[in-house]
Amino acid sequence: DAKTTQPPSMDCAEGRAANLPCNHSTISGNEYVYWYRQIHSQGPQYIIHGLKNNETNEMASLIITEDRKSSTLILPHATLRDTAVYYCIVRVYGGFKTIFGAGTRLFVKA
Amino acid sequence: GAGVSQSPSNKVTEKGKDVELRCDPISGHTALYWYRQSLGQGLEFLIYFQGNSAPDKSGLPSDRFSAERTGGSVSTLTIQRTQQEDSAVYLCASSTEGDSYEQYFGPGTRLTVT
Repeated sequence: DAKTTQPPSMDCAEGRAANLPCNHSTISGNEYVYWYRQIHSQGPQYIIHGLKNNETNEMASLIITEDRKSSTLILPHATLRDTAVYYCIVRVYGGFKTIFGAGTRLFVKA
Repeated sequence: GAGVSQSPSNKVTEKGKDVELRCDPISGHTALYWYRQSLGQGLEFLIYFQGNSAPDKSGLPSDRFSAERTGGSVSTLTIQRTQQEDSAVYLCASSTEGDSYEQYFGPGTRLTVT
C-alpha cells in the first residue's frame, strides 16, 4: 500500500472549518483514500473514503486532487469533540491489510 | 447493535508470562484485524483474517505472537514470554465485504508488562 504524509498537528478554532491535508504521491490507480479518526482512549472511527471524485457525508467532505496525489479532509464546522488524531490511509478497495501512519493531531480550541 | 468487544480491557502481567487477548467481532463480519498501538504512537498492523482464507500474518513482530480465529468468529491473540516492549494497547477491528469495507474497532486491551 502507498504511504501517506500528514502534518503531525494542527489547530482549529471552534465553529471554523478544519482542513486536514494528506499527501499520497505514490498512490496507484486502484487505491482508494480512506480517513479515520481516533479520539483519546477510543478505537479509530471510519470517516469517509473516495477514489477520485469529491465525497461528502454527514461527518466530513473529502477533496481529492485531479492527479490523486493529495487530498484534504474538511470538517465544515469543527467542534471541541472533533479533537482527535486523524489518519489518512490509501489501500486497494476490498483489500484488507491496512497501514496506518502517524496521523494528524487536530486540536479544536474554544 | 452490538459492536466489537475485547477482553480483558486491562491486563497487567509479569515479564516472561504468556497472555491471551480476546476479540468478539460484529456478527456476520467476515474480516477481523489486530493492531497494536504503543503510547503516543500510531496503529501498527499485526494480522488479519478474511473468511476461510489463510490469515495475513505479515505484521506479527516475532514468533512469540500468534493469533487464531475459531469458527470464523471469535479471535484470540496470544503473546508468549511477554517482554516489556510488548506493553501497548491491542486493538481489534472487524469489517464486512462490500460497501466501504470500513473497519469497526473495539475499545482495545491495554497490556502492561512489568
